[in-house]
Amino acid sequence: NAGVMQNPRHLVRRRGQEARLRCSPMKGHSHVYWYRQLPEEGLKFMVYLQKENIIDESGMPKERFSAEFPKEGPSILRIQQVVRGDSAAYFCASSPPTGGTFAFFGQGTRLTVV
Amino acid sequence: GENVEQHPSTLSVQEGDSAVIKCTYSDSASNYFPWYKQELGKRPQLIIDIRSNVGEKKDQRIAVTLNKTAKHFSLHITETQPEDSAVYFCAALDDNYGQNFVFGPGTRLSVLP
Repeated sequence: NAGVMQNPRHLVRRRGQEARLRCSPMKGHSHVYWYRQLPEEGLKFMVYLQKENIIDESGMPKERFSAEFPKEGPSILRIQQVVRGDSAAYFCASSPPTGGTFAFFGQGTRLTVV
Repeated sequence: GENVEQHPSTLSVQEGDSAVIKCTYSDSASNYFPWYKQELGKRPQLIIDIRSNVGEKKDQRIAVTLNKTAKHFSLHITETQPEDSAVYFCAALDDNYGQNFVFGPGTRLSVLP
């Protein structure tokens, strides 16, 4: 079991570009969570998805941010027209079909906006 | 929704001493309480968890206690070692309804040699 895989590990984007962050959950896991972490700060919840379904996106900014978890392929967090304030580590976690238990984190994507 | 508070925000202990981190939660329906450890530059990793039908759980030097009436739970680390230095996060959720994980703000533990 390869664990939760995120790519890329590091991503540099210029202001105004788009950033796409990918998360492949652990085998057998159908729930994905995305979190943002600024340096020296905590894990801020962004969005919770199941296959083809957004369960809770209360932590997502209303503009420029979107997430999906298609039937096939990884979950994707998309940030359009990035700004310097989007620079952070973005972690995803996955849990089994029952949800809400034993969530395991990926290694994160560190986004730097220049 | 659930709100999780965590104290202290920073904690320094001498190697060999015990460390205690406390969390409180707001939603009485929450029934699952995991703890994660995050070392500098790394991912958060699950170290121990407890469910609401249990009052205490131990795993070697780590233990978690839960007081459902008071809605608080604590992480206890005994015989601390330098490698215990990290940020620790607690979370609380009702796993019957597939809620998202709401984390406390974290506690930075430093174990001084």
